[in-house]
Amino acid sequence: AQSVTQLDSQVPVFEEAPVELRCNYSSSVSVYLFWYVQYPNQGLQLLLKYLSGSTLVKGINGFEAEFNKSQTSFHLRKPSVHISDTAEYFCAVSEGNRDDKIIFGKGTRLHILP
Amino acid sequence: GAVVSQHPSRVICKSGTSVKIECRSLDFQATTMFWYRQFPKQSLMLMATSNEGSKATYEQGVEKDKFLINHASLTLSTLTVTSAHPEDSSFYICSAAGLRYNEQFFGPGTRLTVL
Repeated sequence: AQSVTQLDSQVPVFEEAPVELRCNYSSSVSVYLFWYVQYPNQGLQLLLKYLSGSTLVKGINGFEAEFNKSQTSFHLRKPSVHISDTAEYFCAVSEGNRDDKIIFGKGTRLHILP
Repeated sequence: GAVVSQHPSRVICKSGTSVKIECRSLDFQATTMFWYRQFPKQSLMLMATSNEGSKATYEQGVEKDKFLINHASLTLSTLTVTSAHPEDSSFYICSAAGLRYNEQFFGPGTRLTVL
């Protein structure tokens, strides 16, 4: 069975500072990894995804994530955050890219401090 | 990317009534749709997977007689919460996948409040 662990439920960070949101996964098969962002009372928006190939994945809004198979991690980073990045971030895993179900982590709330 | 809509965005109903939530893929054919449930400040929990023209596959612990899912066309799936109770109050989100795109797209969600 697949699972996703997001180690931090909330991360406060000052505006323009760098941030890393941690994610670890477990799976017995090859996986696809995702990061989604959810703004208040809205649905999910895909930030980035790892399917194969380069372990460093660049996404929208200046975010990037690195797939580390040996550590089973897929941490999300941004070098300089903006107040508009305040949102809930979900790490997710799937066995397939499109038609398979997605298993979500519990989410990390990114709180940008002025 | 593709657009998935949900209707209504918010619904308030009395306990014991049934509520239908629609999920539509606006510019692509969705062969597979997923329904998730999200409690306040919690993650999304998959409720069921539906393929067009087939019966939905429900996750363990989800009552199929309470949460009726219909995927009658390639652009529409519906979730009906039957005999709703206050504990069914939640944020329901659908996602859709099709052959045209290489990922799932999520709807904006429907907030259900049962009084």
